[in-house]
Amino acid sequence: EADIYQTPRYLVIGTGKKITLECSQTMGHDKMYWYQQDPGMELHLIHYSYGVNSTEKGDLSSESTVSRIRTEHFPLTLESARPSHTSQYLCASSLLSVSGANVLTFGAGSRLTVL
Amino acid sequence: SQQGEEDPQALSIQEGENATMNCSYKTSINNLQWYRQNSGRGLVHLILIRSNEREKHSGRLRVTLDTSKKSSSLLITASRATDTASYFCATASSGGSNYKLTFGKGTLLTVNP
Repeated sequence: EADIYQTPRYLVIGTGKKITLECSQTMGHDKMYWYQQDPGMELHLIHYSYGVNSTEKGDLSSESTVSRIRTEHFPLTLESARPSHTSQYLCASSLLSVSGANVLTFGAGSRLTVL
Repeated sequence: SQQGEEDPQALSIQEGENATMNCSYKTSINNLQWYRQNSGRGLVHLILIRSNEREKHSGRLRVTLDTSKKSSSLLITASRATDTASYFCATASSGGSNYKLTFGKGTLLTVNP
């Protein structure tokens, strides 16, 4: 079982609410990622971090923001949720191997529904 | 456009049969990885093949890589009902950041008992 945890697993909220999706890993990985995935669809990278105080936007534009104050914690925040934010959000982490390969460990996901 | 494209989008087979899924990509890569996703869950890493490798085995999994055609295939032999899941290929581009993986759209595999 992966040592990366996402909470909440399911969240239903109204439009305009502020939400934070939590992601924590106990593996000491320096790199962390957020992917967005619609049902039956591909994953899109929306944020990533290579270490503490390092965050970058991914390939898919997102209105969400992230922070990386501690190695193990990478929360994602939506200041004002809209129905278009309804999706599954997957958090992942990795540690580059000595051979240079980057294998991701994923959390179970947070499914967000905005009414 | 998306780096990895899996084919077919969906595959339905009987238990005991072999399942083959293909992945095509567009740019040069350092390595290619296959992941599995059970419905409503996160992805689990299955196997990684480097750009200088042509074939790799892990249990019932066999992965091939053809860099000249920019394609890879995942073969699951003697399938089981528990293999039912979506399978994604992911690539790390050479010349760019090796840390960012680009995922394809996935193949939904259904293994009927």
